[in-house]
Parts: sequence; C-alpha cells; structure tokens
Amino acid sequence: EAGVTQFPSHSVIEKGQTVTLRCDPISGHDNLYWYRRVMGKEIKFLLHFVKESKQDESGMPNNRFLAERTGGTYSTLKVQPAELEDSGVYFCASSQDKQFFLHFGNGTRLTVT
Amino acid sequence: AQSVSQHNHHVILSEAASLELGCNYSYGGTVNLFWYVQYPGQHLQLLLKYFSGDPLVKGIKGFEAEFIKSKFSFNLRKPSVQWSDTAEYFCAVQRGSTLGRLYFGRGTQLTVWP
Repeated sequence: EAGVTQFPSHSVIEKGQTVTLRCDPISGHDNLYWYRRVMGKEIKFLLHFVKESKQDESGMPNNRFLAERTGGTYSTLKVQPAELEDSGVYFCASSQDKQFFLHFGNGTRLTVT
Repeated sequence: AQSVSQHNHHVILSEAASLELGCNYSYGGTVNLFWYVQYPGQHLQLLLKYFSGDPLVKGIKGFEAEFIKSKFSFNLRKPSVQWSDTAEYFCAVQRGSTLGRLYFGRGTQLTVWP
C-alpha cells in the first residue's frame, strides 16, 4: 500500500508570507494527525482529525494555523502569516483506528526567513 | 509537567557494541508505548510497540524493549548494533485518556561507526 504522502518536502518562505502544507493519508485511514518538530525539541502534537471532523486541536499553537480535511481524505495545514518560530519539520500521520500505531509521512521542512 | 524523557541525546558506538536507550514517562494510568526510528532521509517507522501482556517486546531488526511499570520506563535494547542502525530513535507514549495522540521524547541520535 502507498504510505502517507506529504507535499512539499521543503519550503522556504519569508516572514509574513503564507504557506500551505498537504498530507495524503493511507487510503481508508479515518484518523489523520499533524505533528511538528522545532529544531532540537520533541515532536509535538498539533491536531487530530477523524474523517473530516477535528477530534482534538489542542496542540495548535495559535490562530495563524488552520487545518482542514474536506471530504475526509487529504488534509492541508495553512500558516498565515508565517513567523520565524514556525520553522521546523511538520509531520503528518494516519491510522486506521485510534489504538493502532501511526504511519508517518516524510515530513515537510519549513524554513521561515 | 508530564513528559516523556529520553536520557541520551546522542550515542556513538562501534559496530557489534550493545545498545540501550533509556525512556521514562510521567503519565499515570493506562499507556501504550512505542519506539519509532527515523533513518536518514526517511519517514518515521515503527520499531516496536507495547500495548499489554509480556513486558518484553521484540521488534524489527533485532531490537527489543522492556516495559517496567514500577519505573515508568520503556528502554530500548539491541545486543549488537550495525552501521545501518545509524538513525534517530524516538520513544512515544499513547495515553489511555487520549488514544491516538502520541507524546514523544526528544529523540536520541545513534551513530554507529563501522
């Protein structure tokens, strides 16, 4: 089966610009997660979708971040406007069921200059 | 604050040396425990997991981990490492109260010299 796909793999933008990250989960996986790793720190949870609904968005840093999963398939994570501290690697993961292990994508490395 | 602690940030070993990476967590209640690995340029992959039962779990590539409930620990071991084990290793906890969501440690970079 195809794995979790993330696009782009790298993005370099200037402070104040907008960036949209995309994640395609494994087909049939209802659960989709976004995580972020800021350099040198732990991978931190951002939010969790079950199909198209936001199950838990308690990890979203602030209202500059907007995640969507229209139709319950792929998801986007938009950062608008980007700040320097948003730099890091954004991971997407999916799972069949909450109790199953998560399958991760390769991540998107975001650099805000 | 509740957390997942990985004691070593960078471990350097020679091939055939034994490996033990420490992981402690501070969450109470039911937990599921995982070790993920990220090889250079690749995605995070599941190495092994513990949900219940035998506290000694075996994973891929000769890795194993032992869950010690009284110590809130889930240490990763391998008796003899190879150059190809060079990667970053992450301990993660899934809490019974928030199934699905993973809490990660900071990761341990393992470098194995041939």
